[in-house]
Amino acid sequence: GENVEQHPSTLSVQEGDSAVIKCTYSDSASNYFPWYKQELGKGPQLIIDIRSNVGEKKDQRIAVTLNKTAKHFSLHITETQPEDSAVYFCAGNSGGGADGLTFGKGTHLIIQP
Amino acid sequence: KAGVTQTPRYLIKTRGQQVTLSCSPISGHRSVSWYQQTPGQGLQFLFEYFSETQRNKGNFPGRFSGRQFSNSRSEMNVSTLELGDSALYLCASSSSRLEGQYFGPGTRLTVT
Repeated sequence: GENVEQHPSTLSVQEGDSAVIKCTYSDSASNYFPWYKQELGKGPQLIIDIRSNVGEKKDQRIAVTLNKTAKHFSLHITETQPEDSAVYFCAGNSGGGADGLTFGKGTHLIIQP
Repeated sequence: KAGVTQTPRYLIKTRGQQVTLSCSPISGHRSVSWYQQTPGQGLQFLFEYFSETQRNKGNFPGRFSGRQFSNSRSEMNVSTLELGDSALYLCASSSSRLEGQYFGPGTRLTVT
């Protein structure tokens, strides 16, 4: 089955700096990769996603890049703000969706004022 | 548009009992997925329902089951509860199978 590894587990950056979170996946059949943000006491919120036929996608301060050959994808957050502090999860659709979504273990992003 | 709602929000059960959790998806969404979230195992996929049919299932024992009704509302059931079933159970809905999922706030289940 799919294995999604996420690094780092904790990331502390100064407000205004950029943050990068990286994930690797093992299943070549995976073709959809979402990123979720989870704040304390809430369910995960989809912030951006990318399909395997696209190399990069951007939405304001957030971007995701995908390298299908190397089987890794990354989340980039620029000009970080205090409200960006949360746990971020990457995921891949195992078996192209046949086996559900497999999530990484999460990255706790801390924005230092 | 109202978001995904889950009831109850908190639940305390005893080992050996069974429990039913409910999820109401966003209006118009036909896909509902369930996930278990624990500090040790993280977010794990339980199963997905689309148009009242279970489309796929994660690696969980048969004690975990679910169903979806014609109005897309879904329930999941856990029988013979074990201490290890204590977790946050999340429901997510989408219009397109597993893509673009919106999560509910979850049901916090504690098994004593």
